[in-house]
Amino acid sequence: NAGVTQTPKFQVLKTGQSMTLQCAQDMNHEYMSWYRQDPGMGLRLIHYSVGAGITDQGEVPNGYNVSRSTTEDFPLRLLSAAPSQTSVYFCASRPGPQTHGYTFGSGTRLTVV
Amino acid sequence: AQTVTQSQPEMSVQEAETVTLSCTYDTSESDYYLFWYKQPPSRQMILVIRQEAYKQQNATENRFSVNFQKAAKSFSLKISDSQLGDAAMYFCASRFGNEKLTFGTGTRLTIIP
Repeated sequence: NAGVTQTPKFQVLKTGQSMTLQCAQDMNHEYMSWYRQDPGMGLRLIHYSVGAGITDQGEVPNGYNVSRSTTEDFPLRLLSAAPSQTSVYFCASRPGPQTHGYTFGSGTRLTVV
Repeated sequence: AQTVTQSQPEMSVQEAETVTLSCTYDTSESDYYLFWYKQPPSRQMILVIRQEAYKQQNATENRFSVNFQKAAKSFSLKISDSQLGDAAMYFCASRFGNEKLTFGTGTRLTIIP
């Protein structure tokens, strides 16, 4: 049981490039989310999904796209990377609406130069 | 606005002593959930303890306990018998009726041998 797996762990991008951060969970969790963590701040919600085929925007969605074609996977796409997107990105999941503990992945450190 | 505030950027405690980390929040919701997360240098976000707002009894997990004061909107974390492995950033977070976790800015805890 691997929990929540994020790949890659580190990435450097040039301004304007696009890429996809991968997130997979093997716990059959219904709810999945993406957060970013910036220095001196707590985590902020980018996008979330309450089930396959259902996604919604969080607090800071601009510049990011998501889709949820399967229960297991929830990739985050950066359309055209900007230096302001330099951050640590976390994927999280929880079983469903009646459960409240989130499991986090180990994060992806992204640097945009 | 729904907010979570941690007013102690840094705390230190002698090994084996007790330390309390403070957290206050603001919300108009009646049903919400409160969490403390630990983030060691490995970057992993680890759930320490959680509290449902409708429960009057304070949550306890081994050496970790909370003091939940609903009227004062306060949710402090007490760590007893502090150990070197407790050194980390601690984040207070809440889910105020929707899918978003709102985080405080964190408290860096140092354990003095």
